[in-house]
This record gives sequence, C-alpha cells and structure tokens, in this order.
Amino acid sequence: GAVVSQHPSRVICKSGTSVKIECRSLDFQATTMFWYRQFPKQSLMLMATSNEGSKATYEQGVEKDKFLINHASLTLSTLTVTSAHPEDSSFYICSARDLGGQSSGANVLTFGAGSRLTVL
Amino acid sequence: RKEVEQDPGPFNVPEGATVAFNCTYSNSASQSFFWYRQDCRKEPKLLMSVYSSGNEDGRFTAQLNRASQYISLLIRDSKLSDSATYLCVVNRGGSYIPTFGRGTSLIVHP
Repeated sequence: GAVVSQHPSRVICKSGTSVKIECRSLDFQATTMFWYRQFPKQSLMLMATSNEGSKATYEQGVEKDKFLINHASLTLSTLTVTSAHPEDSSFYICSARDLGGQSSGANVLTFGAGSRLTVL
Repeated sequence: RKEVEQDPGPFNVPEGATVAFNCTYSNSASQSFFWYRQDCRKEPKLLMSVYSSGNEDGRFTAQLNRASQYISLLIRDSKLSDSATYLCVVNRGGSYIPTFGRGTSLIVHP
C-alpha cells in the first residue's frame, strides 16, 4: 500500500531557530499533500495544501511567512517552521493521496508518522 | 457551526459491548466520508470509507445519512484493542480537501 515517510519524528529546538520537516511519498507520486497540526486532545487542523510545482494554499489564520511549504517534486514536500516559538510546539502531520491506488481509492489519505516539535 | 462535529466522549464501555458514534457535517455538497482511527501520539490510520449505501467491515459498520448530514460508526463486540480516538473525516464540498472532526475517544475496559 501507499507509504508516506515523515522526518524527523521528534525535534527539540531553541526559540528563534527554524525547523524543517520532510514528507515523502515512497511508492507513489503525490501532486497534493496536506499539512496538519494537532495540539493535545484537539482535532487535526489543516494548515495548508501543498501543490507540486506551485504555491501552497494556506488555511485562514495560518501565517504563510512563518510556515514555509515547498513541494518541488512529486514525492517530496517540506514544511519549515521559521523563527519557532514555544507556542509552535505541536504535532505536525503530513498526508498525501495516492490517486493511482487500487485498493484504497482515490480519496483516501495516507499519513506520515508525524513530527513532534518542542520549542524551548 | 463547525464543518465537522463529533462528541469527544470519552465513551467508556465493557468488552463485548456495542457502541455507536455519530458525526455531523455542515456542507451539503460534501461527497466523500471516512472514519480514521488514531492511537495516542500516533498518526491517524484509515478505518473505513463510508459509502452512500452503508458498508460493513467485520465488527464495524458505517452509515451515511445525507438528508440529516451525518455519518455513523457502529462497533460490535468491542475489544480492548478498539480503545482509540475515532476521527470523522469529510471532504469539503466540491473539493478533495479533507476536514477532520475533533475525534471521539473510546475506552474499552475488561
């Protein structure tokens, strides 16, 4: 089945530094990936839709200059949290859709394992 | 009104019980519906898609009610391993953008 690899799984950084999270589709091409953020006991909140070869589409209230998304190839999207602050500490998860998948269907998402960011 | 709403629970049930969750959605144009399962501090994983005619997968049954704009998940003969958070996912009307409910927590006890 479709596999999405996300790295790093855990990162601790100092306030003011930037952190890059990678999301790779391992055995399929993903023209669209989604980035979510999840605070404890809260829902997954869509941050942005990452489109291969074009600009990401950000959800209302998400700062595009703070959360930089790059989707330069059909198998890789990156999220960079710039000048991270403690309030950015969260669980960040990417997902992708395998449009060519036979068993799961075109609308089913496959998630990366998530990246837990802690900003000190 | 939120796009997708779920009762957060927790639902505390004994092993062997039958439990049902509902999820309401606000956009009548939505076409795709799913239930995902999320274990603590893990990523969500697809449990089942929800089809218009309803569908069953072992102990799990999903139903869609378009008129009332809700989907349901029924779990029969609950197992301890069913303890998790169940996320309702609805694609925004006219798009492929998935929107998540906040999840319903299920705790199955011996």
